Amino acid sequence: DTAVSQTPKYLVTQMGNDKSIKCEQNLGHDTMYWYKQDSKKFLKIMFSYNNKELIINETVPNRFSPKSPDKAHLNLHINSLELGDSAVYFCASSSGTGGYNEQFFGPGTRLTVL
Amino acid sequence: GQQLNQSPQSMFIQEGEDVSMNCTSSSIFNTWLWYKQDPGEGPVLLIALYKAGELTSNGRLTAQFGITRKDSFLNISASIPSDVGIYFCAQGAQKLVFGQGTRLTINP
Repeated sequence: DTAVSQTPKYLVTQMGNDKSIKCEQNLGHDTMYWYKQDSKKFLKIMFSYNNKELIINETVPNRFSPKSPDKAHLNLHINSLELGDSAVYFCASSSGTGGYNEQFFGPGTRLTVL
Repeated sequence: GQQLNQSPQSMFIQEGEDVSMNCTSSSIFNTWLWYKQDPGEGPVLLIALYKAGELTSNGRLTAQFGITRKDSFLNISASIPSDVGIYFCAQGAQKLVFGQGTRLTINP
């Protein structure tokens, strides 16, 4: 069974559109994350939720809005897509918030904005 | 902000060779992590280090947490084709900061 799953795997869309990426984890973890990996493979955290509450919000344009309906799901909605949003977006999850707890990553969603 | 400098950026080696890569940090932190990313997949944790001087192995992989707490290295012995991928160092607890990655290519 897939531990952290994301849909879709690939997303191609036009500039200006609004799109969503979904993430689900079946590990029983209470903390979930969104990371962005650019074309040079640089990985950077965007958001983190713990038990449906936002706990990390990096300097991300407010066109990006995460939503956590429950602790097993963390979705990412992007409004008014721009060319620079093209990247691979990874969801991750971990247990707990104190100290380091291993983060398990999903397979990624490759977003291409034309 | 915290920065991690990882080197080399890429490596081209022959199967069976040993590999060494390292990472330096501008700040002191309490954990060093090494991840591997296969093509089309998310990063997977290889080794986690929690204290200065710690040396930890995972099969053919060995990693060390530097005494100064500002550096770490990862060694792979007797490389095999499935070692191909991008290796990332990272620091942090919840908010992971990643290095730029080392892309490993192996010639059979």
